[in-house]
Amino acid sequence: SQKIEQNSEALNIQEGKTATLTCNYTNYSPAYLQWYRQDPGRGPVFLLLIRENEKEKRKERLKVTFDTTLKQSLFHITASQPADSATYLCALPGGSYIPTFGRGTSLIVHP
Amino acid sequence: DGGITQSPKYLFRKEGQNVTLSCEQNLNHDAMYWYRQDPGQGLRLIYYSQIVNDFQKGDIAEGYSVSREKKESFPLTVTSAQKNPTAFYLCASNFGHTLGYTFGSGTRLTVV
Repeated sequence: SQKIEQNSEALNIQEGKTATLTCNYTNYSPAYLQWYRQDPGRGPVFLLLIRENEKEKRKERLKVTFDTTLKQSLFHITASQPADSATYLCALPGGSYIPTFGRGTSLIVHP
Repeated sequence: DGGITQSPKYLFRKEGQNVTLSCEQNLNHDAMYWYRQDPGQGLRLIYYSQIVNDFQKGDIAEGYSVSREKKESFPLTVTSAQKNPTAFYLCASNFGHTLGYTFGSGTRLTVV
């Protein structure tokens, strides 16, 4: 069956460092992958979509890579700030292209 | 501003009661979705609707019902048949699958 894996342990980093979050998947051949940010008690917010033919995509301090051979996406936040603290979800298109979400990784940026 | 409004933010249900969660969007999106989120779990799809007057079951539809009489509205009813309804419920909509999904702020349902 299709499976999305994100590190369940929180990632703790110091302000100003680069945060790197991982999304691994199995039994998928996705045409694209999405990343969302979710704050406690709120709905997810769409950040980026990367297609299978794009190796890398950037948006301001965010960078996403997509390696279809490794079946992995990396999500980087450069010059991280305490305001970046949140849970980050990756999502892959499932049946009817409706996204299936990973469990998310919590990022905590310490001042 | 365009967006999705979910209400109420918090809802308490007694055993055996049906409750309805509201979801309204003014984004002119055709498709709307309901997800359920439990602590430490990913979002799980309950129901979705890609057009007015039509909806499809998701992965965990048992114990839930929906309607889509208007493009802007997609209410979710949690029936007494749902044995473990305590969860965070999220409504979403989109215009195209590669354009990202817009989510509401969620409704936290608790059985008392």
